[in-house]
Amino acid sequence: EAGVAQSPRYKIIEKRQSVAFWCNPISGHATLYWYQQILGQGPKLLIQFQNNGVVDDSQLPKDRFSAERLKGVDSTLKIQPAKLEDSAVYLCASSPSRVGEKLFFGSGTQLSVL
Amino acid sequence: GQQLNQSPQSMFIQEGEDVSMNCTSSSIFNTWLWYKQDPGEGPVLLIALYKAGELTSNGRLTAQFGITRKDSFLNISASIPSDVGIYFCAGLSGANNLFFGTGTRLTVIP
Repeated sequence: EAGVAQSPRYKIIEKRQSVAFWCNPISGHATLYWYQQILGQGPKLLIQFQNNGVVDDSQLPKDRFSAERLKGVDSTLKIQPAKLEDSAVYLCASSPSRVGEKLFFGSGTQLSVL
Repeated sequence: GQQLNQSPQSMFIQEGEDVSMNCTSSSIFNTWLWYKQDPGEGPVLLIALYKAGELTSNGRLTAQFGITRKDSFLNISASIPSDVGIYFCAGLSGANNLFFGTGTRLTVIP
C-alpha cells in the first residue's frame, strides 16, 4: 500500500514570497490533516479535512495560509506571503476514520524562509 | 493549544539498556498515543491507549495510560540501534483534536 505522498521535499524562499505544498493521501482515507512542525517541537495541527470539507482550521493563520482539498483526495497548502517564522516542516497526514488517532504521515516538506 | 510536556528531553543510553520516558499534561485526554519520528520522516504510530490504567505492549515497547488521564509512560526494553529517533506522545481530546508533546530524543550507543 502506497503511503502519503508529499512534494516538494525541500523548499527555500525569501520572505514575502509565496509557496505551495502538495499532498496525496493514502487511497480511501477520507480524513486529511496538515501539521506544522517547527524545529525541536512536536507537530501542530493547522487544518483538518473530512472528504473535501473543513473540520477544523482554528489554528490556521488565515491571513496568510490557505488550504484546499479538491474532490476529496489531493490537497494543497499555500502560504502567501511567507514570514521568517514559517520556516518549519509541513507534514500531511491521512486517516481512514474521522477520529483523529491512527494518522499516517508523509515525509513532509521542509520550508526555509530567508 | 494544549501543552504536553515530555521528559527527559533527550537520552543517551547503551545498546541493551532499558528506557523510560513520560508525558504529562494539565488537561485530561481520552486517548494517549506514542509516535516515533526518524530524521527526515513523518511520525509513525507505535502504540495507542484508550482507557485509564491501560497497559499495552508492542514488541519491546510498553506504554501505560495514567490513572489520572493526564499522563502516559513509554518503556523500551533491551534497546537496539534502530530505536534511535524522537519519541512523541500525543493526546486526543474529543474526536478530532490531537495534541503532540515536546518530544524525547533517544540516542543508542552501540
